[in-house]
Parts: sequence; structure tokens; C-alpha cells
Amino acid sequence: GNSVTQMEGPVTLSEEAFLTINCTYTATGYPSLFWYVQYPGEGLQLLLKATKADDKGSNKGFEATYRKETTSFHLEKGSVQVSDSAVYFCALSDKGTGGFKTIFGAGTRLFVKA
Amino acid sequence: EAGVTQFPSHSVIEKGQTVTLRCDPISGHDNLYWYRRVMGKEIKFLLHFVKESKQDESGMPNNRFLAERTGGTYSTLKVQPAELEDSGVYFCASSQVETGGYTFGSGTRLTVV
Repeated sequence: GNSVTQMEGPVTLSEEAFLTINCTYTATGYPSLFWYVQYPGEGLQLLLKATKADDKGSNKGFEATYRKETTSFHLEKGSVQVSDSAVYFCALSDKGTGGFKTIFGAGTRLFVKA
Repeated sequence: EAGVTQFPSHSVIEKGQTVTLRCDPISGHDNLYWYRRVMGKEIKFLLHFVKESKQDESGMPNNRFLAERTGGTYSTLKVQPAELEDSGVYFCASSQVETGGYTFGSGTRLTVV
């Protein structure tokens, strides 16, 4: 079955450091890939997405490239801010017998220190 | 546009009691999803409505969970009777298309004691 694996947290960085959160997936079809972010006390928000191989999703300085050959969708940001502290979820959406379903990873908590 | 609204935000109940969670999706979104996150683990799919019909309920853990979406607007998720392992955060999401990119509510944190 389909699955998403992302690096365990927490990840603690200083402000302006480079961020990478690894995400790999297993899928039988050709899924769309997503990163969601959950800020403290809020619901999940869609951060970025990519719908086919080699697509790059980007938003708010974050980027992720859909790599079919390595089945990966790593999240990167060149210079993190304290306000980026949140939990980040990698996800895929693929069509199964019950229609499209989105599957999430376990989430990676990011702490950014001033 | 109003977002996805969930009620209550927190609920603490005793084992064996009944709890009903409510989700109001974004107006016009035919697709409504329930997910659950237990103990900091992955967010697990529970079920998917298209309008008032259950498109996929393969993630519902057992028959103590009952979801409804009468009239294709808001949805309720009832847990009866609640068990300790039902504790977690229940998220609702909605979308216009089912291919991903959902709008989530803030979740209901359920604690069964």
C-alpha cells in the first residue's frame, strides 16, 4: 500500500539556518505530493504541492521537488525564521478503490531559536 | 470565505461515554474528510464524504464510530462508547476536488479518561 516516511523530529535550528526535512514515499500509481504545516493552536495548512515528476512546489521561501527516481519530496528553506516553528507533514494523494485518498507522514516538529 | 470549523475544540470524557464531534466545511465543498492523529503519530484517514454519501470509510476503526453528513453540509462523528485508545486529535478537511490540497479545521482534541 501507499505510505509516507519523513524524518523524525524535533529539529532545532538557529534563525537563518538552512532547513531540510526529508520525505520519501511509496505509491502504486502516480501520486500528487504535498507539504502541510501546522502552527501552534491551528489546523493544518497546505504549504506547497507538486503533481508530477520533476515539478517544484514553492511557497513562503520553502521548496520541494518531486523526485520520482528517488521517490522523495524533501522540504527545504534557505534561511529559517522563528515564525517557521511548527509541525510539518509530508503527504501524498493517489487514486485507490475508494477514490482519491491523502496519506500523511508522522510529522516533523521544527523549533527555530532566535 | 469562512474556513473549516470544528466543534468542540477540546473534549474530555470518561470511558464508556458518548461524544459527538462536528465539522462545518467550506460552503460549496462537496468533499469532506475525517482524519485522526493519535499520540503524535501520523495523521490517519478515517473516511471521505462526497456530498451526503460515504465515498470511502475504510479507515473507520470499528463500529463504535459513526459518521453522518445529512444534507451534504456539516458532518458529525459520534464515538459510542468511547474507549481510552480513542484519545487523539480529530481533524476535518474539505475540498472542491478530491485530488488533494485540502483545507483543514483546527481539530478537536479528544481525551478519554
